[in-house]
Amino acid sequence: QSALTQPASVSGSPGQSITISCTGTSSDVGGYNYVSWYQQHPGKAPKLMIYDVSKRPSGVSNRFSGSKSGNTASLTISGLQAEDEADYYCSSYTSSSTLVFGTGTKVTVL
Amino acid sequence: QVQLVESGGGLVKPGGSLRLSCAASGFTFSDYYMSWIRQAPGKGLEWVSYISSSGSTIYYADSVKGRFTISRDNAKNSLYLQMNSLRAEDTAVYYCARDNTDMDVWGKGTTVTVSS
Repeated sequence: QSALTQPASVSGSPGQSITISCTGTSSDVGGYNYVSWYQQHPGKAPKLMIYDVSKRPSGVSNRFSGSKSGNTASLTISGLQAEDEADYYCSSYTSSSTLVFGTGTKVTVL
Repeated sequence: QVQLVESGGGLVKPGGSLRLSCAASGFTFSDYYMSWIRQAPGKGLEWVSYISSSGSTIYYADSVKGRFTISRDNAKNSLYLQMNSLRAEDTAVYYCARDNTDMDVWGKGTTVTVSS
């Protein structure tokens, strides 16, 4: 199972919006509404930010939103803040009943 | 509070074995699927394995199939990962996570280093 494809890095200024893409296939992202997004700060465990494509867990800021079109899912962070600087990973359930993560995206707040 | 605590990591020689444990608290452990995920130094996340709430359904990543065994003891609120025939490329931080098809609770991780 190949990793889902994410851009290596995305940057933006405070207050701006950025979008991170996550591209898979019809056997994973495109085939199921089980796409999740995780935020990971250096030396810390990942934190769930979005699940089931577009749902936000309790306590996660509404500045984070998710969507999907075909085989590509997206995470949008609006009103970018300094604390949003972190690595972000998508994941998807697959047709093999396994899970696959994306390659990861480093978000930099300029 | 809901918590997962991993243990059992360490330094092991190539070809050796190690057993990781994950102690769960603050939720009904037997109601949830559980997963192991690892992260090699400076690299991304890699899903390793999951086990259903009863233990009857288990899946592995191709990279560990035949070498790693996931198991659980619901009476002890514990998840395990038996790792055999370890290779240098298994060096990573290993996380356990509560699995709802999304991983909503993570432990802090335990470090496994495979080196001679």
